[in-house]
Amino acid sequence: DIQMTQSPSSLSASVGDRVTITCRASEVISDYLNWYQLKPGKAPKLLIYAASTLQSGVPSRFSGLGSGTDFTLTISSLQLEDFATYYCQQSHSTPWTFGQGTNVEVK
Amino acid sequence: EVQVVESGGGLIQPGGSLRLSCPASGFTVSNNFMAWVRQAPGKGLEWVSLIYSGGDTYYADSVKGRFTISRDNSKNTLYLQMNSLGAEDSAVYYCARVGQLERRGDGGFYYYSAMDVWGQGTTVTVSS
Repeated sequence: DIQMTQSPSSLSASVGDRVTITCRASEVISDYLNWYQLKPGKAPKLLIYAASTLQSGVPSRFSGLGSGTDFTLTISSLQLEDFATYYCQQSHSTPWTFGQGTNVEVK
Repeated sequence: EVQVVESGGGLIQPGGSLRLSCPASGFTVSNNFMAWVRQAPGKGLEWVSLIYSGGDTYYADSVKGRFTISRDNSKNTLYLQMNSLGAEDSAVYYCARVGQLERRGDGGFYYYSAMDVWGQGTTVTVSS
């Protein structure tokens, strides 16, 4: 199985900060990498697919980079509604696997 | 509106069975890949199962042999039959559509699987 390792597991930031989350795959997954946002009591939301393609309706302050084994999600200017937990997920091969999540909290 | 709504969760004793339902609106379940994902209390997201439009099914090792994903085309509904439940199966269970999403590349258009429509989840608690 492909293991996905996210870092950091949590971070504290302020509105307006630039935030970067890293995700590493245990083997090459090309660009079969998705990012999701999860808030308590809400449906998870797809932010980015194919490592760098912004899902329709997602603000442009979110961006993704990477290919192979190393990937990043960046929020260029953190907004109040962005405080949430973020997960990477590989769709290269089953079993699909998620990173352990990164909780972005208010500083 | 494109949406899915999970139901069927509840409190169940260890060893028991439960069937989760996920009726869809705004799209056809049988024309899409569909998935179940869960989140145990205090834990991260865990992929549980996947069904292709052609009917092939896949499972996480943790549920293989105990859970069955299926769909009823006449009801446009996805299901997850869960048997031999244990405490480790307690979680919020999400149903998701797996979109085949397009990206333009050097050689043309490429398609990637990503869970693009999610429900709000249904809670399963396994306890005596």
